[in-house]
Amino acid sequence: DAGVIQSPRHEVTEMGQEVTLRCKPISGHDYLFWYRQTMMRGLELLIYFNNNVPIDDSGMPEDRFSAKMPNASFSTLKIQPSEPRDSAVYFCASSSKWDRGKWADTQYFGPGTRLTVL
Amino acid sequence: AQSVTQLDSHVSVSEGTPVLLRCNYSSSYSPSLFWYVQHPNKGLQLLLKYTSAATLVKGINGFEAEFKKSETSFHLTKPSAHMSDAAEYFCVVRRDDKIIFGKGTRLHILP
Repeated sequence: DAGVIQSPRHEVTEMGQEVTLRCKPISGHDYLFWYRQTMMRGLELLIYFNNNVPIDDSGMPEDRFSAKMPNASFSTLKIQPSEPRDSAVYFCASSSKWDRGKWADTQYFGPGTRLTVL
Repeated sequence: AQSVTQLDSHVSVSEGTPVLLRCNYSSSYSPSLFWYVQHPNKGLQLLLKYTSAATLVKGINGFEAEFKKSETSFHLTKPSAHMSDAAEYFCVVRRDDKIIFGKGTRLHILP
């Protein structure tokens, strides 16, 4: 398996523009997580899905942020409109609670998308 | 309510000496506990996890952690540090639908 795939790897945009980050989880995983990492705030869980359904979105900072998971192999995190304080590295991770009959629950992280909002 | 506290934001050790990264958690019930490592400009990678089996958990790269319920701790250790261990380490608590990451501890290895 190629692991968790995120695109783009780097994004530079101007304030007010819409930004869409994409994630393809590991095939067969039924949990998908979106995180944001900054120097000031560290690593924050934004939202996560189980079987394509959002379970906990309490970490989403405000209404400008939205996340969707239309199917088991694709998720997007959208920021509209973007602001300079949204500059961060955004990670996607996936996991499966069970792996061959054993408790798994390990999260596999993608390489991240480095977002810069000017 | 759950929380996780990594007691040191930075730890510096000399190469070849032991490593101790401290983590305390609070949870109403027995949680699952994890340590992840993040090397510069990389995503996070699982080092080890505790899920109510053996209290001493061995992970990759020679790391291990001991779950101590009486102390509500899950400290990460390694007998002998290597330069390649320089990274940021995150302690994570998971119970049911809640996942909480610690603030991270940056490990510096001195030559």
